[in-house]
Amino acid sequence: EIVLTQSPGTLSLSPGERATLSCRASQSVRSSYLAWYQQKPGQAPRLLIYGASSRATGIPDRFSGSGSGTDFTLTISRLEPEDFAVYYCQQYGSSPRTFGQGTKVEIK
Amino acid sequence: QVQLVESGGGLVKPGGSLRLSCAASGFSFSDYYMSWIRQAPGKGLEWVSYISGSGTTIDSADSVKGRFTISRDNSKNSLYLQMNSLRAEDTAVYYCARDPVGELFDYWGQGTLVTVSS
Repeated sequence: EIVLTQSPGTLSLSPGERATLSCRASQSVRSSYLAWYQQKPGQAPRLLIYGASSRATGIPDRFSGSGSGTDFTLTISRLEPEDFAVYYCQQYGSSPRTFGQGTKVEIK
Repeated sequence: QVQLVESGGGLVKPGGSLRLSCAASGFSFSDYYMSWIRQAPGKGLEWVSYISGSGTTIDSADSVKGRFTISRDNSKNSLYLQMNSLRAEDTAVYYCARDPVGELFDYWGQGTLVTVSS
């Protein structure tokens, strides 16, 4: 199975700053079938990005995704207070579908 | 709007059984794959099982194969997860999620907690 490794484990930033989250796959992800989710405490995850770079319905344009092959990035251009959360990447190019371990974006 | 509401979680002893349910509304249920995903306390996400819209295609993670069975009743817009031979490591919040074409998860329920402990 494809193992996804996210870095850093925790990102401490201030509102208004730019956040760059990394997701590295143990083997190439077919057709850039990679998604990103946001999870706030006590809530279910929410789909942000699919196909590595397409925003899901209703997701603000400050969220962007990029990458291909084994290296993917989620960028939040200017952090809003509601963006402090845990972010997970997930690949759906091969079975079983797997998630990364998450990156926590916390307020500095 | 899409709504998914899980139920059936609780405390069960090791070796015991539990059946989770997920009631769906706001979309054409039979047109979509559905999945169960779990999250152990303080941990990450693990896909558990999926089922196609017709119920003819099913797959599960190796960690639950032979113990968990996914099913659906399209007449009731409901998804189920029968969990047998439960282990302590099955303790988690279980989410049902809409799963377009068996790839990603675009809507999630609020989750139901399953605790396996003696």
